[in-house]
Amino acid sequence: EVHLVESGGGLVQPGGSLRLSCAASGFTISDHYMDWVRQAPGKGLEWVGRTRDKANSYTTEYAASVKGRFTISRDDSKNSVDLQMDSLKTEDTAVYYCAREARIAPASASYYYFGMDVWGQGTTVTVSS
Amino acid sequence: DIQMTQSPSSLSASVGDRVTITCRASQSISRYLNWYQQKPGKAPNLLIYGASSLQSGVPSRFSGSGSGTDFTLTITSLQPEDFAAYYCQHSYNTPRTFGQGTKVELK
Repeated sequence: EVHLVESGGGLVQPGGSLRLSCAASGFTISDHYMDWVRQAPGKGLEWVGRTRDKANSYTTEYAASVKGRFTISRDDSKNSVDLQMDSLKTEDTAVYYCAREARIAPASASYYYFGMDVWGQGTTVTVSS
Repeated sequence: DIQMTQSPSSLSASVGDRVTITCRASQSISRYLNWYQQKPGKAPNLLIYGASSLQSGVPSRFSGSGSGTDFTLTITSLQPEDFAAYYCQHSYNTPRTFGQGTKVELK
């Protein structure tokens, strides 16, 4: 069975740093795009960024709201993905989820779509003085 | 960036009702549209991908339709476990963006 487990959340002061980790089991992350999505208290879902798969050189992309402050990296030996968060702001307070963004093909189709089909349970980050 | 707008923001319904949620993209996204369900305190769960394809394990009372800019999620015969929030999300390009969500509540 496939699983994702996030860790590393906590309370941090504005301007501080935090590193989240997402451990995968039941599949190999090098074969998949891996995303981070966050949800501020009482709010909707916000895409944070992603790392592409090995075939696409593990390139990364970020939302404008975190670009230059957050960095996504992989450790294939641990089958895990990290989110390094620097220069944190109070508006970064949220539950952070990692998700597998898989290529999913309809039955008998020769094409596919991307969808976030496996999610972790989330880890809470609170930025406050 | 592509903006996703859902309507309504919330709705009240009864068990057995047919429920329809709409999602509009700010530009054409072909069929690159996913739907997720999220229950309180839980991670989202993929329901529909490619606008109309049912994700494995999702009950057939859920269906999706649409292409271009206008999409619909329909739940036929609402069940007690379906009271939750629903989000659309495009996968046309990056940044991926989600709709603001629709909360389905018990009438």
